[in-house]
Amino acid sequence: AQSVTQPDIHITVSEGASLELRCNYSYGATPYLFWYVQSPGQGLQLLLKYFSGDTLVQGIKGFEAEFKRSQSSFNLRKPSVHWSDAAEYFCACTYNNNDMRFGAGTRLTVKP
Amino acid sequence: DTAVSQTPKYLVTQMGNDKSIKCEQNLGHDTMYWYKQDSKKFLKIMFSYNNKELIINETVPNRFSPKSPDKAHLNLHINSLELGDSAVYFCASRTTNTGELFFGEGSRLTVL
Repeated sequence: AQSVTQPDIHITVSEGASLELRCNYSYGATPYLFWYVQSPGQGLQLLLKYFSGDTLVQGIKGFEAEFKRSQSSFNLRKPSVHWSDAAEYFCACTYNNNDMRFGAGTRLTVKP
Repeated sequence: DTAVSQTPKYLVTQMGNDKSIKCEQNLGHDTMYWYKQDSKKFLKIMFSYNNKELIINETVPNRFSPKSPDKAHLNLHINSLELGDSAVYFCASRTTNTGELFFGEGSRLTVL
């Protein structure tokens, strides 16, 4: 069955430090891949997406993600974290464009 | 302009009651969804409608009944509410070509 795994439930980084959030997927073929961010009390906002082509994709707010087929991964990165990046981050996949499956989320805390 | 709007944003009710949550999107999308987010932030797909037709119906108690009067609206009615129904319910709509989901701000349901 298709699934998305985010191994880290909670990550704490210092402001200005780099960030990498992990995501692995389990699908029969290459899915469409997404990262969403959810601030407290808010809905989910799309950060970036991968469909095909260049495996390094750029998103909003300085985020990027790299698709690695050999590792079935789509990790999210940011070179320098800002306090406003503290939020819940969700990786998501869809294969048939109808059924979007989400990982369990990673909560990011940013230390001053 | 709000792209995907849900009402009410907060709902507090007693066990056994019946309640509805409404969702409207003004993006012209054909497909709409209901997701349930539990207290651990896990997002689970419940239903999906494409142009008023039900296309995804996950293992959800039949106390939950979605209704789509037109492709811009997808409402969720819940009968005989139980404590375990307490969650945040998100409505979303999807673009046809990219699969990206646009989310509402969520409706927090608390069952006492």
